[in-house]
Amino acid sequence: DIVVTQSPLSLPVTPGEPASISCRSSQTLLHSNGYNYLDWYLQRPGQSPQLLIYLGSNRASGVPDRFSGSGSGTDFTLKISRVEAEDVGVYYCLQALQTLPLTFGGGTRLEIK
Amino acid sequence: QLQLQESGPGLVKPSETLSLTCTVSGGSISSSSFYWGWIRQPPGKGLEWIGSIYYSGNTYYNPSLKSRVTISVDTSKNQLSLKMSSVTAADTAVYYCARRTYGSGFDYWGQGTQVSVSS
Repeated sequence: DIVVTQSPLSLPVTPGEPASISCRSSQTLLHSNGYNYLDWYLQRPGQSPQLLIYLGSNRASGVPDRFSGSGSGTDFTLKISRVEAEDVGVYYCLQALQTLPLTFGGGTRLEIK
Repeated sequence: QLQLQESGPGLVKPSETLSLTCTVSGGSISSSSFYWGWIRQPPGKGLEWIGSIYYSGNTYYNPSLKSRVTISVDTSKNQLSLKMSSVTAADTAVYYCARRTYGSGFDYWGQGTQVSVSS
């Protein structure tokens, strides 16, 4: 299985400040087609997860441009340029290169200071 | 707007079979552009992929659950189903169905349904 490790576990951020979450995989997520098969999701309190980023760096429909994804191979980063109160929740990365099984990172809880 | 709605018993006894249904509305479940999955979240924990079913009918299950899980689609009802046998307390979780678009991610999720395993 591809193991996906997120850091930090918890991220207190002052509104208006940037935030960064790391996701590392035990194997490369770079496909021969040039795409990195890594997604980012946000699960707000009491809600279902929502897709933020797919293929490592593509924002999903309706996602504010303060969210950006970067990285390749085994190291990926989700950045929020200016944190807002509505960004509170748990962020998960998901590797989708190896189908069996798809594996999520353990999650990073973002909270407002 | 596509909507997914999970349904099923909220309480299942140990060793019995958990059966959940996901009803898709606002779009067809039969499209080669998407595939469907079940994901669960134990109380206070992270997300775990259970399995997926493709347009072709092919299924892929998490090896840790494979011997107990069956995912199927009823195109006439536009429904996705999950059956998990021999459940234990460790299967207590919120169960989500979700759509995954090729070249994208799990872009639509149900609201989730809580399943508790207890006698």
